[in-house]
Formats: sequence, C-alpha cells, structure tokens
Amino acid sequence: GAVVSQHPSRVICKSGTSVKIECRSLDFQATTMFWYRQFPKKSLMLMATSNEGSKATYEQGVEKDKFLINHASLTLSTLTVTSAHPEDSSFYICSARVRREIYNEQFFGPGTRLTVL
Amino acid sequence: DAKTTQPPSMDCAEGRAANLPCNHSTISGNEYVYWYRQIHSQGPQYIIHGLKNNETNEMASLIITEDRKSSTLILPHATLRDTAVYYCIVRETDSWGKLQFGAGTQVVVTP
Repeated sequence: GAVVSQHPSRVICKSGTSVKIECRSLDFQATTMFWYRQFPKKSLMLMATSNEGSKATYEQGVEKDKFLINHASLTLSTLTVTSAHPEDSSFYICSARVRREIYNEQFFGPGTRLTVL
Repeated sequence: DAKTTQPPSMDCAEGRAANLPCNHSTISGNEYVYWYRQIHSQGPQYIIHGLKNNETNEMASLIITEDRKSSTLILPHATLRDTAVYYCIVRETDSWGKLQFGAGTQVVVTP
C-alpha cells in the first residue's frame, strides 16, 4: 500500500509561535492531500483539501489565515499553525488521495500531536 | 449531518467474529460504503469498501443489504490488536474524494 509520513510526530511549543507540520507521500505522487484535526475522544474533523500548485480549499469554520497550507510538490504538503494558542492543541492528521480506476482511495499519515503551552 | 449511524461501543471476545453494524438509510446510488479504523493515537487505516456486492479481503468482510440502507463489517477472528475505533463512511466517487468521519464504534477486544 501507499505510505504517508508526517513530521514531526510530536511538537510542544509556546503560545504565540508558529508550527509547521509536513505531510509526505513516500512512494507515490499525490495531487490532493487532506488535513484533519482530532480532539481527544472525538472524531476526525476535515480542515482543508490541499491541491498541488493551487490554493487549498478550507472547510466551513476553519480560518485560512490561522492554518496555512502549502502543497508545493506532488509529494509534500505542509500545514502551518500560525500564532498558536492552547486551544490549537490537537492531533493533526494528513491523508493523500490515490486515484484507482473508478474510485478514490485515501492513505493516512500517523498524525502529529501538537501541544501549545 | 451524519450520513451513517453506528453504535458507540462494542465488546468482542478474542478469537470470535466481530460484527459491526452501520446504518446509511439515505445512501444514494453512486455512493460507496467505506470502512476505516483508528487505533489509539494513530492515523486511520483503510479496511474495505463496497458499492452493492459483498466484499472480502485479508482484513475483513463487508456485507451490504440488498436495499443498501445498512451494512455490516465482519472481523472473522478478532485479536487484541483489532481494538480500535471503526468508522463507516459513505462517499461519492467524485474527483475530490473527501471523507467525512462520524463518531464511529469503539471496539474493545478482550482476552
């Protein structure tokens, strides 16, 4: 199967700083990647769709200036949490879309645990 | 607006079959049923998907009712490593491929 990695796996930062999370497709090219956020004991919430070479599409209620997404190549998408605050502490997960015949398949990264002090 | 309904939790004995139900009464003709699972503090893992026929792979079997309003994921011989949250998702085969996760079913496999 396709492998998706995330870096870092865990990050602790001070309030007011910015944090960048990388999502890479290791053995395939992904024109589309997705970013999710998950709070403790909650389900995954889709934040945005990242498209290579174009602007990301954000879900309703997600601040695009707060969560900057860059999909600069076919194997890398980055999520930058700007001016992080404690309420941004969460588990951030990316996925990459692979088109197979007539359906789409998504492969997920292992997630990044962000803690903002 | 949740498209699927799953029980919040389920216990299963190790070695036994686990049958996970999912209701999707408003599913449309071009929507597939997907199952993912998430082991604690990891990213979701694809299990299986289907349109209307029953499907089987090395991980599980998917049984979809004839009217497609519900389905059952079957883990034939549950192991302790199958303890996870299982998500049933319906999704169109559109070019975007977004997955919207519901609450899922927390499955606990006990010795």
